[in-house]
Amino acid sequence: QQQVKQSPQSLIVQKGGIPIINCAYENTAFDYFPWYQQFPGKGPALLIAIRPDVSEKKEGRFTISFNKSAKQFSLHIMDSQPGDSATYFCAARDTGNQFYFGTGTSLTVIP
Amino acid sequence: NAGVTQTPKFQVLKTGQSMTLQCAQDMNHEYMSWYRQDPGMGLRLIHYSVGAGITDQGEVPNGYNVSRSTTEDFPLRLLSAAPSQTSVYFCASSKELGYNEQFFGPGTRLTVL
Repeated sequence: QQQVKQSPQSLIVQKGGIPIINCAYENTAFDYFPWYQQFPGKGPALLIAIRPDVSEKKEGRFTISFNKSAKQFSLHIMDSQPGDSATYFCAARDTGNQFYFGTGTSLTVIP
Repeated sequence: NAGVTQTPKFQVLKTGQSMTLQCAQDMNHEYMSWYRQDPGMGLRLIHYSVGAGITDQGEVPNGYNVSRSTTEDFPLRLLSAAPSQTSVYFCASSKELGYNEQFFGPGTRLTVL
């Protein structure tokens, strides 16, 4: 059973657009929600993360929105660039410090 | 620093063969872990270690063994490979259990025929 549900599976946007990737969870004990970016042939790399006591976090062009009551969080990429084309994974950490990952979203930014 | 390194990059095995995937880190991290990445499944935790001599099972441990004799190395052993173990394997490390950021290696693509 997937602990963290991620959508969409793939996304194509024009340069300058704002892709949004959504994740949902059920376990209210999750205490940390990171997003990872993965380029082909590489391992995932931490992009941005949020804790459940915060509703929004921005780092550069990347923003996480967190809705604790709905148990949902999303990644927004402002002014997307072709170099942002990658696979994005959301994740959640439980009280045992184990991470559960979403299924990934393949983002393509068209020049 | 090389970060997290993994060898080999690619491997093809026949059903029933055994092999060891190597993982090493030079950041003096206490916590190391192994994930497998399958299409449509995301990354799933296989085994992890909170320090030398200490290992534990993750979400999908069956068919895999690990040991941690040093802080730097965390090998993953497949005792009798099965086609269901065809996957991309990632090793990751972080400063300690509960530390936020995990650093991933470049992965090993394993095919079991």
